[in-house]
Amino acid sequence: DAGITQSPRHKVTETGTPVTLRCHQTENHRYMYWYRQDPGHGLRLIHYSYGVKDTDKGEVSDGYSVSRSKTEDFLLTLESATSSQTSVYFCAIKARGNDYGYTFGSGTRLTVV
Amino acid sequence: ILNVEQSPQSLHVQEGDSTNFTCSFPSSNFYALHWYRWETAKSPEALFVMTLNGDEKKKGRISATLNTKEGYSYLYIKGSQPEDSATYLCASTNQAGTALIFGKGTTLSVSS
Repeated sequence: DAGITQSPRHKVTETGTPVTLRCHQTENHRYMYWYRQDPGHGLRLIHYSYGVKDTDKGEVSDGYSVSRSKTEDFLLTLESATSSQTSVYFCAIKARGNDYGYTFGSGTRLTVV
Repeated sequence: ILNVEQSPQSLHVQEGDSTNFTCSFPSSNFYALHWYRWETAKSPEALFVMTLNGDEKKKGRISATLNTKEGYSYLYIKGSQPEDSATYLCASTNQAGTALIFGKGTTLSVSS
């Protein structure tokens, strides 16, 4: 989608290895989010950011950390990947204010073997 | 954790049928209610964002209503078409108003 890109699009990694997913935006939006999508669960919030170096946990944050050192990039790190973290990860951005919807990235399909 | 519930989980209709889905959410500390359309192999796309009790939004054949006092929203599709086949997600803001919590979605399949 215009203004937001995720990388990589696909990744296969081994259990126990660290993995970092990147979300990059060109919209200068304040808010950025990481969700994971799993069958039967829909989209679940992992972490979000409301500004540079300002982040907070979502409903499924265990095993994940995030960093936002500049407005355009929001990184999601799996410190030691587990098979339960096999999922599709979506990043989203939002302009400030309650009237704006989210713009989602194309997703990263992560497989932990 | 805020619970957003959607029903039905899935729905199959014939082309031309009108249909509606339900989203329920906690009515306390309400900020906004979002509807998204999610086609297979794509990313969710925003349909509506509603913030006021009694809000009604419309986009073509799709419309939505909001009742914040009782905590529900309806999404209506008039004269369903095969291209309406998708998963429709509802989401409400968390207690701090800083992030969306999504329901599990309603998957619509429209046969021609």
